Amino acid sequence: AQSVSQHNHHVILSEAASLELGCNYSYGGTVNLFWYVQYPGQHLQLLLKYFSGDPLVKGIKGFEAEFIKSKFSFNLRKPSVQWSDTAEYFCAVRRAGGTSYGKLTFGQGTILTVHP
Amino acid sequence: NAGVMQNPRHLVRRRGQEARLRCSPMKGHSHVYWYRQLPEEGLKFMVYLQKENIIDESGMPKERFSAEFPKEGPSILRIQQVVRGDSAAYFCASSPSPGQASDTGELFFGEGSRLTVL
Repeated sequence: AQSVSQHNHHVILSEAASLELGCNYSYGGTVNLFWYVQYPGQHLQLLLKYFSGDPLVKGIKGFEAEFIKSKFSFNLRKPSVQWSDTAEYFCAVRRAGGTSYGKLTFGQGTILTVHP
Repeated sequence: NAGVMQNPRHLVRRRGQEARLRCSPMKGHSHVYWYRQLPEEGLKFMVYLQKENIIDESGMPKERFSAEFPKEGPSILRIQQVVRGDSAAYFCASSPSPGQASDTGELFFGEGSRLTVL
């Protein structure tokens, strides 16, 4: 079964600092990759996703992620964070194909706190 | 995304009681997923259902937990004889049939049901 590991449980930054959140997955086959964000008191929302093609994916709100197949990684980046980026971020993987296609496996989440 | 509706948003039960959580998927979605979120543990997959069919229940505890998605009506996650360890946020998500033309790969989440067991 696939698993997803997020390296940092809690990241604290000041506004305008750069952000990189690590995500590694364990599955040798073809995968689809996702980053979701959960703002305080809200539901999960999709930030970006990777299916195929250019491994550098751009999402909403200035976020981007890079898929590095050889490292089984899909790190999330943002050049300059804002206070409004304070939220919990989840990396997720989906096996491409198979009977349980559709199901996402999530990492444990990273809480990002941005100080003004 | 106001499409996936979960209720109740908050549910308080005493140990030994039953909890029923309901989820109505987005219009046009035929697949429902239940996840549990415990503090500092992220989202744990529980069960994946299609109308009248369980596709994957590998994340469901073997006892006390069950899920259904009937032909008519919402999906229901049922927890019998609740214990304090069942206290968590339970999230439902939905999608179109995976692999179909309308499938973007994204799961659309509801706002969750927070269960507190006293």
